[in-house]
Amino acid sequence: DAKTTQPNSMESNEEEPVHLPCNHSTISGTDYIHWYRQLPSQGPEYVIHGLTSNVNNRMASLAIAEDRKSSTLILHRATLRDAAVYYCIPPYAGGTSYGKLTFGQGTILTVHP
Amino acid sequence: SQTIHQWPATLVQPVGSPLSLECTVEGTSNPNLYWYRQAAGRGLQLLFYSVGIGQISSEVPQNLSASRPQDRQFILSSKKLLLSDSGFYLCAWSVTLMRGQETQYFGPGTRLLVL
Repeated sequence: DAKTTQPNSMESNEEEPVHLPCNHSTISGTDYIHWYRQLPSQGPEYVIHGLTSNVNNRMASLAIAEDRKSSTLILHRATLRDAAVYYCIPPYAGGTSYGKLTFGQGTILTVHP
Repeated sequence: SQTIHQWPATLVQPVGSPLSLECTVEGTSNPNLYWYRQAAGRGLQLLFYSVGIGQISSEVPQNLSASRPQDRQFILSSKKLLLSDSGFYLCAWSVTLMRGQETQYFGPGTRLLVL
């Protein structure tokens, strides 16, 4: 299975952009990178996923390096509600189509007012 | 729209007592269902997953079991709880898509404290 590495914690000020990095140097050519986040006392929620090109949705942007060995989750304007643990999820192994997510320790994002 | 329910929200149980946590999904058919546990200060650990009625796969050996009696119902059980079973239990669902693009949707969770 591919492994991921994320910083333990990051801090940001409200309304500033936040760039959350993830290294996934063992990723294979057809593996997607997924990001989830977990707000305090809640279950995780899906944020975004991508394969090769940059992806955008209403929550965030995902910038994937050209060699696909790293990616960056971008929150364009952090709010206090974005304070959470952000997980970069390695792709699952195996030949089945269901998603077996492996959650690491993630990055604890603190947003200051 | 799809929704996922878990109950109870919190539970305090003595060691050695039985456990039954229930998860139901609305608004979708034949979902893949998952049980995760998050111990205090730790990451999420996948316990069980199910791709259909009566089909359960276990990821981690333990004194817990899971059952799927109906398409959109997933139950986590134990005959005798241990102190180490304390944690935040999360149910999740997904639908089968092209490999690698599946998104999981999590319920609100059940906080279990075993004393």
